[in-house]
Amino acid sequence: GEDVEQSLFLSVREGDSSVINCTYTDSSSTYLYWYKQEPGAGLQLLTYIFSNMDMKQDQRLTVLLNKKDKHLSLRIADTQTGDSAIYFCAVTSGGSYIPTFGRGTSLIVHP
Amino acid sequence: DAGITQSPRYKITETGRQVTLMCHQTWSHSYMFWYRQDLGHGLRLIYYSAAADITDKGEVPDGYVVSRSKTENFPLTLESATRSQTSVYFCASRDRDNTEAFFGQGTRLTVV
Repeated sequence: GEDVEQSLFLSVREGDSSVINCTYTDSSSTYLYWYKQEPGAGLQLLTYIFSNMDMKQDQRLTVLLNKKDKHLSLRIADTQTGDSAIYFCAVTSGGSYIPTFGRGTSLIVHP
Repeated sequence: DAGITQSPRYKITETGRQVTLMCHQTWSHSYMFWYRQDLGHGLRLIYYSAAADITDKGEVPDGYVVSRSKTENFPLTLESATRSQTSVYFCASRDRDNTEAFFGQGTRLTVV
């Protein structure tokens, strides 16, 4: 089955850009997602990209997809303290409707 | 209110007891999921359902039972709770034609 890997922690200074990386194993992956989880809350979809796209931009968020390397990244420009959260990469593959999640990356933003 | 709700938000139970976690969604989404979230493991799929009366095992189904007699409800039952089932449980739903899965707020379960 699909395996999704993320680094566990990222620490950045307020105002800097954050880049959260994710790798996956299944080359038939169709949709790739980034979810955000704030403390004590459920997951909320931040953005997603379809596998036929290389990049997607949405305000401060930029998603880059490298299908050859099976690598997905989320860049947050001008990171704010309110961006501190756990960020999950998730992937659906082939005809499956079930997203497989990575372990989540804890983003810590310090002044 | 529209959305997906889980109850209870917090639960403490004793080893060996049966406990049921409730999940209700108001959109009539076809797909529903149960995940557990543990430190170091991220989100792991317990059970999922494609429609009423259709359920299937995920990655970590042992010790859990689900049912889906109505589209909007997807309860998760721990038949005989064990300490290893202490976790935060998330229910999610997704429509057939929509890419986004919507998550409930989670149930924090502690088995003592």
